[in-house]
Amino acid sequence: KAGVTQTPRYLIKTRGQQVTLSCSPISGHRSVSWYQQTPGQGLQFLFEYFSETQRNKGNFPGRFSGRQFSNSRSEMNVSTLELGDSALYLCASSRSGTQRVLNTEAFFGQGTRLTVV
Amino acid sequence: TQLLEQSPQFLSIQEGENLTVYCNSSSVFSSLQWYRQEPGEGPVLLVTVVTGGEVKKLKRLTFQFGDARKDSSLHITAAQPGDTGLYLCAGLNTGNQFYFGTGTSLTVIP
Repeated sequence: KAGVTQTPRYLIKTRGQQVTLSCSPISGHRSVSWYQQTPGQGLQFLFEYFSETQRNKGNFPGRFSGRQFSNSRSEMNVSTLELGDSALYLCASSRSGTQRVLNTEAFFGQGTRLTVV
Repeated sequence: TQLLEQSPQFLSIQEGENLTVYCNSSSVFSSLQWYRQEPGEGPVLLVTVVTGGEVKKLKRLTFQFGDARKDSSLHITAAQPGDTGLYLCAGLNTGNQFYFGTGTSLTVIP
């Protein structure tokens, strides 16, 4: 069974640009969550999508947005990039959502390493 | 504000030694999970604990959830180089918010 696939693996962008990251969950999983990981702040929750609807949202500015398609694939968009947006962006998929169901295992992708210069 | 504080932040030990990693909070959590993340990879779930006082064992790893469900510990017996990685606790609080801990970077030296 294929795991969670994130593309691209690495990305370099300039301040002010925008970027779109993609996440393909495990087949049959309807929940996709996005996280930002930095050395200083650790892993921080961005948002969760379930059946094409945003179900939960972390404390990030509106420049960070996402969406989920009918096939459960998800995209995350960051507009007007800042240097501080440089991070590893991870997505995790689960059947019903770690945010709501106890004992639900979330499977993480390898992440997209974004560098803003 | 970090809801889940892990200690120590960094740990470097010799193969065969024992170690304990702590995950503490002032908040109550409905459940708590432990993950291990290796360089270049995403975190992988090790265990979920849901009951106060619960103890779970996974080979040489022992996980405990505090009686008040505000803290947890991970104990590794006879550490191996393959245990090297970033250990993360993550909790679902009573408000249905999910948080990751600050992380403990473990290096086991052969």
